[in-house]
Amino acid sequence: DAKTTQPNSMESNEEEPVHLPCNHSTISGTDYIHWYRQLPSQGPEYVIHGLTSNVNNRMASLAIAEDRKSSTLILHRATLRDAAVYYCILRVYNTDKLIFGTGTRLQVFP
Amino acid sequence: DAGVTQSPTHLIKTRGQQVTLRCSPISGHKSVSWYQQVLGQGPQFIFQYYEKEERGRGNFPDRFSARQFPNYSSELNVNALLLGDSALYLCASSFWEGSVNTEAFFGQGTRLTVV
Repeated sequence: DAKTTQPNSMESNEEEPVHLPCNHSTISGTDYIHWYRQLPSQGPEYVIHGLTSNVNNRMASLAIAEDRKSSTLILHRATLRDAAVYYCILRVYNTDKLIFGTGTRLQVFP
Repeated sequence: DAGVTQSPTHLIKTRGQQVTLRCSPISGHKSVSWYQQVLGQGPQFIFQYYEKEERGRGNFPDRFSARQFPNYSSELNVNALLLGDSALYLCASSFWEGSVNTEAFFGQGTRLTVV
């Protein structure tokens, strides 16, 4: 199974943009890139996903490198509620299996 | 609408005992997956069930088993509990029917402590 690498932690101030990087150099051509986040004492929550093109939704944007070996989750204006562990995940083709890495713990300061 | 519900929320068991965890998916979701999350780590995939059949299994010993019922709810069973089985057990459901584009919805989890 392909794996992802993320920084252990990142910090941001409220109202500032946050760029969370992820490396997935062994990604296969059929793997989708998904991002989930986990708030304390809760189950993971879906954020965004993509295959090749950049994606935007109400929560965030996903920028995918042309060679697909890395991606960046962009939170345009961080809020205190965005403090969580963010997981970059490769969705295994033709299964419902999510391969979680160690994630990035995002701290947001007022 | 109700999300994914898991029961019980907390559980304490003794080494060697057996435990059954339960999960009710979101209405309309036929795919249910189980994950184990040890403190400080990301969730690890255990099983996926779809239409009552096992569709995927993670790297877990045979002490772990699961099943899915006709109403798509699911149970995870762990036999001969070890201290290392202490973890948060998460259930996720989705509209998955072979597509990788579906998002998974997770429950709050069952916190299992083995003493």
